[in-house]
Amino acid sequence: GAVVSQHPSWVICKSGTSVKIECRSLDFQATTMFWYRQFPKQSLMLMATSNEGSKATYEQGVEKDKFLINHASLTLSTLTVTSAHPEDSSFYICSASGELNTEAFFGQGTRLTVV
Amino acid sequence: GNSVTQMEGPVTLSEEAFLTINCTYTATGYPSLFWYVQYPGEGLQLLLKATKADDKGSNKGFEATYRKETTSFHLEKGSVQVSDSAVYFCALGSAGRRALTFGSGTRLQVQP
Repeated sequence: GAVVSQHPSWVICKSGTSVKIECRSLDFQATTMFWYRQFPKQSLMLMATSNEGSKATYEQGVEKDKFLINHASLTLSTLTVTSAHPEDSSFYICSASGELNTEAFFGQGTRLTVV
Repeated sequence: GNSVTQMEGPVTLSEEAFLTINCTYTATGYPSLFWYVQYPGEGLQLLLKATKADDKGSNKGFEATYRKETTSFHLEKGSVQVSDSAVYFCALGSAGRRALTFGSGTRLQVQP
């Protein structure tokens, strides 16, 4: 299957700083990327959907000014957690899908800890 | 809205034991159903899927049947191996939407 690489796999940051997470499709062009968040022992919750070259569509309850998503190329999407706080600590995972794909392929996830 | 409920873990089994991980769903229309597996330190991998009622998805000895009458998609394997130790996620996708609704995941631990 197609490969999606997410970086970093874990990050610790201080409260009030911003953190950027990258999601790359390595061997296909990802026209659509999805960002999910998972709290301990809970489901993965969809945060937003981004299509290359256009603004992301955020799910209800997700602050778009807090979680900035950029999908400027067909192989890269970034999620920036701005002014991070301890309650933003979570597992963030992306998935990517191309025009010809009927399924989305997942990155390995990023564990964010805000201290 | 859509939702997926799967059994809580961890599930601990001995090698060669029979595995069942229950998954039920709530959805409008006719969703597709998926099982994903996440091995330690890796991303989610699609294990199997079914796109319509009574379809059976299978892969690597795992099977799941799309039961519309019971809104279920239980994962089964006849004989687990230590290498099957991972977290398993049940998920559903609405027609035309590639974003998925996930269950909470079930950790499987297989002991030699």
